[in-house]
Amino acid sequence: DIQMTQSPSALSASVGDRVTITCRASESITSDLNWYQQQPGKAPKLLIYSANSLQSGVPSRFSGSGSGTDFTLTISNLQPEDFATYYCHQTYGTPYTFGQGTKVEIK
Amino acid sequence: QITLKESGPTLVKPTQTLTLTCSFSGFSLSTSGVGVGWIRQPPGKALEWLVIIYWNDEKRYNPSLKSRVSITKDTSKNQVVLRMTNMDPVDTATYYCAHNAINYDFPDFWGQGTLVTVSS
Repeated sequence: DIQMTQSPSALSASVGDRVTITCRASESITSDLNWYQQQPGKAPKLLIYSANSLQSGVPSRFSGSGSGTDFTLTISNLQPEDFATYYCHQTYGTPYTFGQGTKVEIK
Repeated sequence: QITLKESGPTLVKPTQTLTLTCSFSGFSLSTSGVGVGWIRQPPGKALEWLVIIYWNDEKRYNPSLKSRVSITKDTSKNQVVLRMTNMDPVDTATYYCAHNAINYDFPDFWGQGTLVTVSS
């Protein structure tokens, strides 16, 4: 299985901050990497697909980059509604796997 | 507008078989490129991909669960059914069904999820 490792596991930030979350794959997954946001008690919401494509309706303060094994999700100008847990998800090879999550908390 | 909703028991006993139904609207599983999958999340833990079924009846399984999991579709009813045998307390989780983006393998629309507890 392809292992996905996110860092950090949690971070504290303030409204207006720029936040970066990293996801590393155990082998190359080309650009088959997606990012989800999950609010407590809710289903995940797709933010970014294919490493850097913004899902329709998602604010442009969210961006993704990377290819191969190293990927980044950046949230610029953090908003109150962005405090949540974020997961990376590879769809390069089955079983499709998720990272362990990064919880973004209010400082 | 694509919507999905999971239904089934909230409590099952160890060794029993879990049957969950995903009822959806806004798309058809007979349309080329469409897939519906299941993902679960134990309380306080990360997401785990389980299985997916495509419009052409192709199925892909998580090998760690393949011997216990089956998936079927009923195109006329707009439903997908997940069955998982020999349930164990470690299978306690919120189970989500999700629509896969056309010709992609990632979920773009998710159901609200249903919490299944395995306990005697």
